[in-house]
Amino acid sequence: EVQLVESGGGPVHPGESLRLSCAASGFIFGDYWMHWVRQAPGKGLEWLSRINSDGTTINFVDSVKGRFSVSRDNARNTLYLQMFSLGVEDTAVYFCTRSVSFQGDFDIWGPGTKVTVSS
Amino acid sequence: SYELTQSPSVSVSPGQTATITCSGDKLGDKYVWWYQQKPGQSPVLVISHSDKRPSGISQRFSGSSSGNTATLTISGTQAMDEADYYCQAWDGGTGLFGTGTQVTVL
Repeated sequence: EVQLVESGGGPVHPGESLRLSCAASGFIFGDYWMHWVRQAPGKGLEWLSRINSDGTTINFVDSVKGRFSVSRDNARNTLYLQMFSLGVEDTAVYFCTRSVSFQGDFDIWGPGTKVTVSS
Repeated sequence: SYELTQSPSVSVSPGQTATITCSGDKLGDKYVWWYQQKPGQSPVLVISHSDKRPSGISQRFSGSSSGNTATLTISGTQAMDEADYYCQAWDGGTGLFGTGTQVTVL
C-alpha cells in the first residue's frame, strides 16, 4: 500500500526546535518530489516547502524561510522537516505529500502530525 | 505576493450544482489543482491540471479555468460532497493554496 506517515509532532515552547519525519512506503520514494503542507487550527492549507528527488532543489514559502529546513534520506525512505525558533503561529497539523514532478499532483498525503507551540 | 481567493462558503441542495471559484491574477495562465478535505481528514485531489479528473474521482467533479478565475463544479451534488475545497497553484517555486470554500449540502 502506498503510504506516508508523519511523526515527531507534539507540544513545544516558543523558541524551541522540533524535527518532523515522514516515512514513505509502497512506492519508490526517490522518484518523487516531496512537500510539507500545514494547517493551523480552523484555518486553511499552507504549502511550506518542497524538495526534489535527490535533495538538490529546495524551496520554501517566505514565512518559514530561514527558520525551517528540509531534507530527505532516500535510503531510509524518509523526509524530514527541521523547525527552529518556533512561535505560536507555527501551531498546526503538518502534512507531507508527494508529487511526481516539481508542479504535479499531490496525490498521496499522510494523516498529519500535530505541533502545538505554547508557553 | 501572489494570492488565491475563494468565497468562504457555498450552500447547495442535494442534486443541484455547486460552483466554487478561485481568483488570482492571470490564473488562467497557470495550472490549477483542486483538493477536497473533510473534517479530520487529509486532503484528496479531485481535479488536476485545471480540468483533469484523477482516476477514482466521481464524474460529478469538473474543472475549468480562464482569465483570472478557476472554477470547480460539482454536478448532482451529494451529501458526501460536503467538505472544504481548496484550489492550488504555483507562483514560480512557491506553492499556493486558496483560502478555501466550505460546501454545505442542505
